[in-house]
Amino acid sequence: GESVGLHLPTLSVQEGDNSIINCAYSNSASDYFIWYKQESGKGPQFIIDIRSNMDKRQGQRVTVLLNKTVKHLSLQIAATQPGDSAVYFCAEGGGATNKLIFGTGTLLAVQP
Amino acid sequence: NAGVTQTPKFQVLKTGQSMTLQCAQDMNHEYMSWYRQDPGMGLRLIHYSVGAGITDQGEVPNGYNVSRSTTEDFPLRLLSAAPSQTSVYFCASSLISGTADTQYFGPGTRLTVL
Repeated sequence: GESVGLHLPTLSVQEGDNSIINCAYSNSASDYFIWYKQESGKGPQFIIDIRSNMDKRQGQRVTVLLNKTVKHLSLQIAATQPGDSAVYFCAEGGGATNKLIFGTGTLLAVQP
Repeated sequence: NAGVTQTPKFQVLKTGQSMTLQCAQDMNHEYMSWYRQDPGMGLRLIHYSVGAGITDQGEVPNGYNVSRSTTEDFPLRLLSAAPSQTSVYFCASSLISGTADTQYFGPGTRLTVL
C-alpha cells in the first residue's frame, strides 16, 4: 500500500549545527508534500510545503528538498536551536483530494 | 482568528459511554478532518468533510460518527467508547477542497477509555 516513512526515528544534534531530517514516500502520484513540527502536547504545526514541480523551497532557517527520482524528501534546519526540539512529520498528498498520508515522525533532540 | 479550536482538552470515559469531541474553525475553510494519533504511528484519518452537509469516511471510521451542519463546526461522536479508542484526536482544516493543500491542526483532545 501507499506509505510515507522516515529513515531516522531519532536525531540528536548540537545547538548551532544544521539538522537534516529525511523522508521516503512510495506513491509516485503524490504531488504535494508538507513538513509539520509537533511539540509535546500540541498539535502539528505547518513548517513548509513543496509541490512536485519544484525540487527545492526555502523558508526562514528551513529548506525542503524533493527528489522525485528516488521519491525522497528532506527537511534541513539551519543553526538548530533548542526550540527546534520536537517531532517532525512529513506528509504527502496528491490528485483531486485533500487526503494526506503522514509518516510516523522523527524526534529531533537539540543538545545545548 | 482563533484558528482551529478543540474541546475538551482531556476526557476520561468508561467503556460504553458516548461523547462528542468538538471542533471549530473561524477561517472559512471548506475542508475539515479528524485524525487520531497513537504512539509509534502516524496520524490516521477517521472522517473528513469537503463542505457543509458532506462527510466521508477515512482510514479508520469504525466507532465514530460525524456531521457538518455548518462550515465552522465538525463534531466527532463516539457512539459507545472502547479502550481501543484511547488516543489523541486532532481536528484539521484547509481552505480548498478537492486538492491537496496545507491542513491546519487544532491542539488536540486526549481521550482515555477505561
